[in-house]
Amino acid sequence: GESVGLHLPTLSVQEGDNSIINCAYSNSASDYFIWYKQESGKGPQFIIDIRSNMDKRQGQRVTVLLNKTVKHLSLQIAATQPGDSAVYFCAETRLYGNNRLAFGKGNQVVVIP
Amino acid sequence: DTGVSQDPRHKITKRGQNVTFRCDPISEHNRLYWYRQTLGQGPEFLTYFQNEAQLEKSRLLSDRFSAERPKGSFSTLEIQRTEQGDSAMYLCASSPASSGRDNEQFFGPGTRLTVL
Repeated sequence: GESVGLHLPTLSVQEGDNSIINCAYSNSASDYFIWYKQESGKGPQFIIDIRSNMDKRQGQRVTVLLNKTVKHLSLQIAATQPGDSAVYFCAETRLYGNNRLAFGKGNQVVVIP
Repeated sequence: DTGVSQDPRHKITKRGQNVTFRCDPISEHNRLYWYRQTLGQGPEFLTYFQNEAQLEKSRLLSDRFSAERPKGSFSTLEIQRTEQGDSAMYLCASSPASSGRDNEQFFGPGTRLTVL
């Protein structure tokens, strides 16, 4: 099928290494941020979220860092696996209101076995 | 499978034809969203329902687009007089109507529209 990842910044990482994906968000009023993973031909899949009152949150093999001063998010994936190959998007929204998501530019991660 | 489902998964149509897509959200999710995604880009918000009420529409949603959620459950998105520029993946998402962690939006697999 078609690849969502055409013409996207690509990170090639060796299996087992750590990956870091960066994202700049635009709205200083946003107070809730989410990282989504999207595989070819599928809808975005939730990975991890963070509220603006935190600067770090850890999940299983993933960590999100938030720097509100420079409006920057990063996603760290530990011990990257072939199944992590996908396009990753950050999204921002406000907790109160309609919660419409504004997505950043995607980053394609290619895991080399 | 109790996730968000969308139908059809793929639709090929000729320019000028009307198309309708369906989204079935997760049961008991009050909020339903439609997004559009073109190749290489992130999804863009189109419209949002709280139960059966359509509360917001993006400027991307021209008057050829209409969405409904008649009983507060499934939703339909209709595009009239399709144009080649309408070719995209149309994504539906749902979430519970409460704050905090429940703001997570669960996405369906999308409907890929190709207008010839």
